[in-house]
Amino acid sequence: VQLVQSGAEVKKPGASVKVSCKASGYIFTANYIHWLRQAPGQGFEWMGWINPDTGGRSYVENFQGRVTMTRDTSTRTVYMELNSLTSDDTAVYFCARWDPRTLSTDHWGQGTLITVSS
Amino acid sequence: EIVLTQSPGTLSLSPGERATLSCRASQRISASYLAWFQQKPGQAPRLLIYGASSRATGIPDRFRGSGSGTDFTLTISRLEPEDFAVYFCQHYDNSPLTFGQGTRLEIK
Repeated sequence: VQLVQSGAEVKKPGASVKVSCKASGYIFTANYIHWLRQAPGQGFEWMGWINPDTGGRSYVENFQGRVTMTRDTSTRTVYMELNSLTSDDTAVYFCARWDPRTLSTDHWGQGTLITVSS
Repeated sequence: EIVLTQSPGTLSLSPGERATLSCRASQRISASYLAWFQQKPGQAPRLLIYGASSRATGIPDRFRGSGSGTDFTLTISRLEPEDFAVYFCQHYDNSPLTFGQGTRLEIK
């Protein structure tokens, strides 16, 4: 199982960013993907999840209206787009696979650093 | 919302010693949904323990998870140099997905 994320980006305040997470080594549609972020020196903040099978999704209230999670089953890739960026969005963004057997996020992407700076 | 509180914030020990890390939930939770992770600088978290006490694939048996109700513990019986890292507990039973703030295990 592997989740490979897109590379680091620097964005200006007010811009949008789209992070990709390409899955391999398992049945893509069998596991939900969660998105989380970790600001420098901070803990994890959960953003929501997407069901790669149906495209159904759920977003944390703090991100409602600013985040969009999508998937492309042909390329086994999940995307997380965050708009109206501010400096508070500077963080490492992770995708993580939810495993219904272990009831945990058993595999994670390597993380994508998004820096928001003018 | 379940809040997970980890203690201590930092633990300073020497290789070969025993480490005991605590994760306390703000209300009673099912052990089935409690996991522990290890994170090293610049890396993604690695699943160590799921269901409070089951080791994930490839995890050495010096890592042991225990607990129930509101109190959970991760014990590392004999610290190896590669064990010095940050450890997080995680809970997810429907919503939201929450993490403890982490315990930093550093070399004394």
